[in-house]
Amino acid sequence: GAGVSQSPRYKVAKRGQDVALRCDPISGHVSLFWYQQALGQGPEFLTYFQNEAQLDKSGLPSDRFFAERPEGSVSTLKIQRTQQEDSAVYLCASSLAGGPQETQYFGPGTRLLVL
Amino acid sequence: EDQVTQSPEALRLQEGESSSLNCSYTVSGLRGLFWYRQDPGKGPEFLFTLYSAGEEKEKERLKATLTKKESFLHITAPKPEDSATYLCAVLGANSKLTFGKGITLSVRP
Repeated sequence: GAGVSQSPRYKVAKRGQDVALRCDPISGHVSLFWYQQALGQGPEFLTYFQNEAQLDKSGLPSDRFFAERPEGSVSTLKIQRTQQEDSAVYLCASSLAGGPQETQYFGPGTRLLVL
Repeated sequence: EDQVTQSPEALRLQEGESSSLNCSYTVSGLRGLFWYRQDPGKGPEFLFTLYSAGEEKEKERLKATLTKKESFLHITAPKPEDSATYLCAVLGANSKLTFGKGITLSVRP
């Protein structure tokens, strides 16, 4: 079946621009996660949804970062007034059950470059 | 704060040369230890979940083991297609996955 999909796959933004990254989880998956992966590093947790509820946003690096999942399926990660330090790969993952104990399946990521 | 340290950072093996990748961790209330494989330009691909010390899981040429302080990913008779970055992550009481930096494995034919 279809896995987690993300769009766009690549995004180049000028410093100060706003960007929106989309994640389509596996159908029926309750939990959705966003991670940020810098070059040569492991993914770092940003935020977590269970259905439409954002249960943990403690990993968001600043108030310029905002995530939503209004209908409990597709999620959007928005970054306002992008800075060069925002350049990274943004990964989305989903899991079947509520709660992060379940296996998380990752999408291919969106590579963001801020110039 | 949960921490994961993976070693070595990079490993080059000859095809057929078995070896082990190490993942050392400190976590408050371990709820699971995960191994993922990541190929360049792709997202992490799930390999194993281990829940308690002494547990072992196998898949083809890979075997993961877990103690109270570390996990090993053993690779038996690797092939060039096993070349990838292997990520270890722990799930602790704070319900967040904490990843290590990964180990880049290169298998030469």
